Amino acid sequence: SAVISQKPSRDICQRGTSLTIQCQVDSQVTMMFWYRQQPGQSLTLIATANQGSEATYESGFVIDKFPISRPNLTFSTLTVSNMSPEDSSIYLCSVEFSGRAPDTQYFGPGTRLTVL
Amino acid sequence: AQSVTQLGSHVSVSEGALVLLRCNYSSSVPPYLFWYVQYPNQGLQLLLKYTTGATLVKGINGFEAEFKKSETSFHLTKPSAHMSDAAEYFCAVSGNNFNKFYFGSGTKLNVKP
Repeated sequence: SAVISQKPSRDICQRGTSLTIQCQVDSQVTMMFWYRQQPGQSLTLIATANQGSEATYESGFVIDKFPISRPNLTFSTLTVSNMSPEDSSIYLCSVEFSGRAPDTQYFGPGTRLTVL
Repeated sequence: AQSVTQLGSHVSVSEGALVLLRCNYSSSVPPYLFWYVQYPNQGLQLLLKYTTGATLVKGINGFEAEFKKSETSFHLTKPSAHMSDAAEYFCAVSGNNFNKFYFGSGTKLNVKP
């Protein structure tokens, strides 16, 4: 496993603004993912962050709303754009090391976002 | 297609009692199955996983789970609950052709003194 950190750990934002969340891993990983966990609900995959290319988004999520970057094998960012109260959630990044199934996903501590 | 069903959004047990959290899956390919735990205000921590081989899998903190293909189940158990086990538990399934994980809706475990 590895140490996975996320910044910020929590934030309160105003409607219409944007927030960029960072995910940093202390070793190189093959795969990085971003999830959303809405209040009282399970995890929903937003996208797979691909190093050096555009992220792969799941149905219902679009790049304009959730732009993602992954400049190297240890770092990724997720931006929540033009926020509304419905975006209030926990956002989690996860990583895999081998990229070959059956691999395990390891999760960061999450970023708790509240949109007013 | 993959999916996971966790029966019981809330389970309450007394300290020292058996813990049983239910997970049933649907998978079009041989499944890989995982249990994660989420403590309040924290991320997810891997408890245990089944990929191939022995169907009874032991994890951290005294938890174990048994893969039963005939029942499409992967229930999580612990013989004796501790107060520190109070958390939310998520079952997840993945397949052998891709990395995508499908998570169940979660079960919140309450442990009574």
